[in-house]
Amino acid sequence: NAGVTQTPKFRILKIGQSMTLQCAQDMNHNYMYWYRQDPGMGLKLIYYSVGAGITDKGEVPNGYNVSRSTTEDFPLRLELAAPSQTSVYFCASSYSRAEQYFGPGTRLTVT
Amino acid sequence: SQKIEQNSEALNIQEGKTATLTCNYTNYSPAYLQWYRQDPGRGPVFLLLIRENEKEKRKERLKVTFDTTLKQSLFHITASQPADSATYLCALDGEYSGGGADGLTFGKGTHLIIQP
Repeated sequence: NAGVTQTPKFRILKIGQSMTLQCAQDMNHNYMYWYRQDPGMGLKLIYYSVGAGITDKGEVPNGYNVSRSTTEDFPLRLELAAPSQTSVYFCASSYSRAEQYFGPGTRLTVT
Repeated sequence: SQKIEQNSEALNIQEGKTATLTCNYTNYSPAYLQWYRQDPGRGPVFLLLIRENEKEKRKERLKVTFDTTLKQSLFHITASQPADSATYLCALDGEYSGGGADGLTFGKGTHLIIQP
């Protein structure tokens, strides 16, 4: 099993550009999550999904959108990128409301 | 507001000793608490989960305690090794939607350094 995979690993965006961060898992987990981690800070939940077709906002959803058309994939869309969205983004999945499996992260810089 | 506190300063421990990390929380009534390990440039890795009705959980050299009265969890690594050096994150189940599969709320983590 590959676990949770994320692409790209690194990306530099100009202010106002848009992009999609990809996340896929091959563990047949129903629950998937997107977090962001700023230097010296804890991870903050952006969006989560309890199954295909169901998504909900977390603590910091502004400026982001998600979709969940399949169990495996949970892409995160950034519209009109801003410097405040410079961060490391982690996708995670879980079988239940318990231990989460994280991907390797996407390091995004907005300039 | 909900808050999770972990020692923000690095914790230096001599190899072979027991490392003890603290996680305190306020304004929470978590059903469970989790500990993760994070190495530089990597995603967090799950270590242990302890439920609100459990006082202690062990896994190999790791031990977690959970005191819901004190609102505190202690994470112990016995016979510590330099390879244990990492940042350790405490996480509680979130309350963003008042129910359902919310994500976790993480502390900022404690950087542990095991010196040979």
